[in-house]
Amino acid sequence: GESVGLHLPTLSVQEGDNSIINCAYSNSASDYFIWYKQESGKGPQFIIDIRSNMDKRQGQRVTVLLNKTVKHLSLQIAATQPGDSAVYFCAENWADSSYKLIFGSGTRLLVRP
Amino acid sequence: NAGVTQTPKFRVLKTGQSMTLLCAQDMNHEYMYWYRQDPGMGLRLIHYSVGEGTTAKGEVPDGYNVSRLKKQNFLLGLESAAPSQTSVYFCASSYPEGDEAFFGQGTRLTVV
Repeated sequence: GESVGLHLPTLSVQEGDNSIINCAYSNSASDYFIWYKQESGKGPQFIIDIRSNMDKRQGQRVTVLLNKTVKHLSLQIAATQPGDSAVYFCAENWADSSYKLIFGSGTRLLVRP
Repeated sequence: NAGVTQTPKFRVLKTGQSMTLLCAQDMNHEYMYWYRQDPGMGLRLIHYSVGEGTTAKGEVPDGYNVSRLKKQNFLLGLESAAPSQTSVYFCASSYPEGDEAFFGQGTRLTVV
């Protein structure tokens, strides 16, 4: 059975409401950020990305905001649906010579019908 | 186009045994990564590669070795498995820096 995310922070929202998931990243030199969604028993799936020369990017029902001053990312999901229930991770691409892709700790989103 | 394929999907090892996890990608990606994911935690980078013949350490490299002899394959080896290596292992690949990484379906490894 699924064992990922048992102790992750959880955000519970009503179906149809908007969700905001937050992430603090670690490296001020990171220049590329990605939000991933992970459903039970699956690998992470790309949702949306943003580069460090932007502060906002919109996709279909999702918006990512980047605040480089405080090293903070947020993912906004509009009109949250039951299918949005999953664990959400932010990832940062270190722009030093390592080019590592480092993940944050994750947030579990539960959508109440 | 299969994307990123991991082999095997499940494995049970005894303490001290060795094994190799295979990751194959058919997207001609330069970068490949191995992560582990433990219950209640996010993905932690074990090793990664920015091109054929090159590898580098990630956040938690101890107890693992990797090889990238071919661009499309990235192998993760456990020389002497320990119970602490019980985890779900994910492989990913991407184009050079600044692009999304695509993930495999994961390998669930149990060391008893």
